[in-house]
Amino acid sequence: GPKVLQIPSHQIIDMGQMVTLNCDPVSNHLYFYWYKQILGQQMEFLVNFYNGKVMEKSKLFKDQFSVERPDGSYFTLKIQPTALEDSAVYFCASSRREANERLFFGHGTKLSVL
Amino acid sequence: GDSVTQMQGQVTLSEDDFLFINCTYSTTWYPTLFWYVQYPGEGPQLLLKVTTANNKGISRGFEATYDKRTTSFHLQKASVQESDSAVYYCVLGSNTDKVVFGTGTRLQVSP
Repeated sequence: GPKVLQIPSHQIIDMGQMVTLNCDPVSNHLYFYWYKQILGQQMEFLVNFYNGKVMEKSKLFKDQFSVERPDGSYFTLKIQPTALEDSAVYFCASSRREANERLFFGHGTKLSVL
Repeated sequence: GDSVTQMQGQVTLSEDDFLFINCTYSTTWYPTLFWYVQYPGEGPQLLLKVTTANNKGISRGFEATYDKRTTSFHLQKASVQESDSAVYYCVLGSNTDKVVFGTGTRLQVSP
C-alpha cells in the first residue's frame, strides 16, 4: 500500500544544535502532519500543513519548530535550537484530504538530544 | 473543543479472551471515528473507520460501532491472539483540520 518514508530513522545531536527531520509523504496526498511520541507515551499532535501553510498547531509546537515543503519535495520539521526535552520519536503522516480521511504514518524518526 | 477519552491505559489478556476497549468522544461536528493500531517500532496504522452514526466498522476480527446516543466507539474482538499485542488508539476526525488521538490503550496478550 501507500507508504510514508521518514529519513533518518535515528538522529543523535547535541543540545542547541539544529536538526531537520525529513518526510516523503504519499505522492497524491495534500495534508501533512507531525506527531511527537515520548517513549512509552501517547501520540501528541504537533502541527498540520496544507497548501503551503500551517493550518493548526498545538502548544507543543514551540517557536523553535518550523515546517515547510518546498516545491513539493520533502515535508520537513526543523528544530532550532534543540533542547533535551525534544528527545522523542517524531512521526510524519499524510492524507488525501482533511481530517475525515485516513492518515498514513511513517515509521518515525527517533531524535536523541544529548 | 474536540476530545477523545480512553480510560484504560493497559489491558492484559490471555489468548482467546474477549477484548473490550472503551472509547468516548466529544465534538460539535459530525465526526469520523477511527481505531488505529501501533506495533512496536512502527507508526500507527488504520484498523477501522466509521463515518455514519450507528454503523459498525469491522476489520481483522475487530469491530466498533459508532453510537451517537452515547457518543461512544468501543473496540471489541471475540477472541484475541498474541499477535494482537499493540497499542490501540481511538481517533476523532471532523470537518475541520483537527485529528484528535486518544491516549491509547496498551494490549498485552499472553499465550
